[in-house]
Amino acid sequence: SQQGEEDPQALSIQEGENATMNCSYKTSINNLQWYRQNSGRGLVHLILIRSNEREKHSGRLRVTLDTSKKSSSLLITASRAADTASYFCATVPFQGAQKLVFGQGTRLTINP
Amino acid sequence: DGGITQSPKYLFRKEGQNVTLSCEQNLNHDAMYWYRQDPGQGLRLIYYSQIVNDFQKGDIAEGYSVSREKKESFPLTVTSAQKNPTAFYLCASSAESGTGNEKLFFGSGTQLSVL
Repeated sequence: SQQGEEDPQALSIQEGENATMNCSYKTSINNLQWYRQNSGRGLVHLILIRSNEREKHSGRLRVTLDTSKKSSSLLITASRAADTASYFCATVPFQGAQKLVFGQGTRLTINP
Repeated sequence: DGGITQSPKYLFRKEGQNVTLSCEQNLNHDAMYWYRQDPGQGLRLIYYSQIVNDFQKGDIAEGYSVSREKKESFPLTVTSAQKNPTAFYLCASSAESGTGNEKLFFGSGTQLSVL
């Protein structure tokens, strides 16, 4: 079953602009992770934010987590053409099997 | 792709045929996973293994089988019972399992198509 839902499903912006993607989930979580997938390739882990954290940074990436709204956002600043990819959020539910549950992803296109 | 090798990259299956997808890792990770990805969709868990000689069904295990005889290897067999096998298959591994904090390392995937 898929717990996370990303919004928007697709996003197209100009190089240099900021890109924001959102993820909503249904049940309480231990942590939330974001992954990137280039077309036809495997996923690459970007960042993990724990349920007791509200914000985390990694280079040009900024992730926020609002457990009261059961939502997270991924911000990519100063986007580059190489950022073109699909981005997935994945959650580990607080109860039940401790396995990652992936959303359907946001397809991001950066136009040069 | 982080020390995980999947082969082949493309695979074609005839009706009624079983096919096996290979996954090998040299990261010394205990846990390994198989996911299925359909076009424009997220990942769905097929099987996972937390330790050698042990594996568990995921959300969509029907029509698939696995083995974990070696720590480095976790092959997936798509059996003839899987009526809609066309998809992109991803293998992953993690150093931790069952803690809720595992970060997954993925292979580059195998695209399976039906002839």
